[in-house]
Amino acid sequence: GQQLNQSPQSMFIQEGEDVSMNCTSSSIFNTWLWYKQDPGEGPVLLIALYKAGELTSNGRLTAQFGITRKDSFLNISASIPSDVGIYFCAGLAVKAAGNKLTFGGGTRVLVKP
Amino acid sequence: GAVVSQHPSRVICKSGTSVKIECRSLDFQATTMFWYRQFPKQSLMLMATSNEGSKATYEQGVEKDKFLINHASLTLSTLTVTSAHPEDSSFYICSAPGTGHTGELFFGEGSRLTVL
Repeated sequence: GQQLNQSPQSMFIQEGEDVSMNCTSSSIFNTWLWYKQDPGEGPVLLIALYKAGELTSNGRLTAQFGITRKDSFLNISASIPSDVGIYFCAGLAVKAAGNKLTFGGGTRVLVKP
Repeated sequence: GAVVSQHPSRVICKSGTSVKIECRSLDFQATTMFWYRQFPKQSLMLMATSNEGSKATYEQGVEKDKFLINHASLTLSTLTVTSAHPEDSSFYICSAPGTGHTGELFFGEGSRLTVL
């Protein structure tokens, strides 16, 4: 099936650092969504993007809908310990049947020992 | 955002028994719900689309007789894992579209199934 390439797969953060992750696809998307999943929990919606070029913030989180409509990035500024978790991008493709989202493989954010 | 609740959050069962997982939309109605399965350290894999008042639509490779889905009302969908086996052990998550923008999905808390 359709794939979203999400990178990096994992990263270590130090408190106070800025963090960045992105998703790319060969297909065009109408909607980009960013979720965070804590261990043993369901994903929680962080940011939703609907227009090419749109830049949206939610607290320390900022995400952008790429101009080409084939990519999106998520930035976390001044990271804190509770930012640890798995972040997933998801997109609704132009030709998505039944409004099914396509998910990236996830970026696992860990704290530097 | 819309609230989706799943129950139970954890269930352990013996091999050969059936297990039912409920997914409820608490403050909105959902004519469609989605059921996902997630293996450790992997992304979400869509299993099926639950449609209120009609049959569920299953993704390729998902056994409809093994994973029975019933969407009896606008706020409840159930997933029954029939004759469960250890390989069915997994994290099952349901989701429902919100009433706002197209594409936004709100997820339940997930249900951890362990089959002994």
